[in-house]
Amino acid sequence: GQNIDQPTEMTATEGAIVQINCTYQTSGFNGLFWYQQHAGEAPTFLSYNVLDGLEEKGRFSSFLSRSKGYSYLLLKELQMKDSASYLCAVSRRSSARQLTFGSGTQLTVLP
Amino acid sequence: SQTIHQWPATLVQPVGSPLSLECTVEGTSNPNLYWYRQAAGRGLQLLFYSVGIGQISSEVPQNLSASRPQDRQFILSSKKLLLSDSGFYLCAWSSGSADEQFFGPGTRLTVL
Repeated sequence: GQNIDQPTEMTATEGAIVQINCTYQTSGFNGLFWYQQHAGEAPTFLSYNVLDGLEEKGRFSSFLSRSKGYSYLLLKELQMKDSASYLCAVSRRSSARQLTFGSGTQLTVLP
Repeated sequence: SQTIHQWPATLVQPVGSPLSLECTVEGTSNPNLYWYRQAAGRGLQLLFYSVGIGQISSEVPQNLSASRPQDRQFILSSKKLLLSDSGFYLCAWSSGSADEQFFGPGTRLTVL
């Protein structure tokens, strides 16, 4: 089976740094995605980690440890527009590359 | 470039009525296609996926069904809606060789 855990809510201040953690237990693990979803909108892709280590993309970075079943998304220089839900998703080794999503972390950025 | 469309954008239906949601993808061929449902404040639950025309796999038992009559068309249906079918329905596609999924704009369904 699949089990993905991430905090339900987080709050941070504009300009600060926030780290959103995700732990997973899954069979046939292939890689881990982070998506951003604003209220009422579709998720948009942020990052994808297959190998252990840190992937940096502008203000956003994502880390993966396959041996620990752990990932985090790091957001730097927070802006008000970063207030959104952040979804951790695990992809499986299969022909359809199914994704299993966590429940999402609702991040609120305060002025 | 590839685009994905869903319609309708919003839908209000009475309990027991039928449902048909449509998703189409442009700019790619032989995509993997997916239907997800998202309840309020929750993550995405994979309902169905398809790796080719006429090939449908179901992830969870329910009163919904899916069909793929054409390569880039994916339809979600129900014969009789339940209150619990309310939610945000998202269609997504991926290429056969990559893991990343791209989402459509979604359909917000309210069953009364």
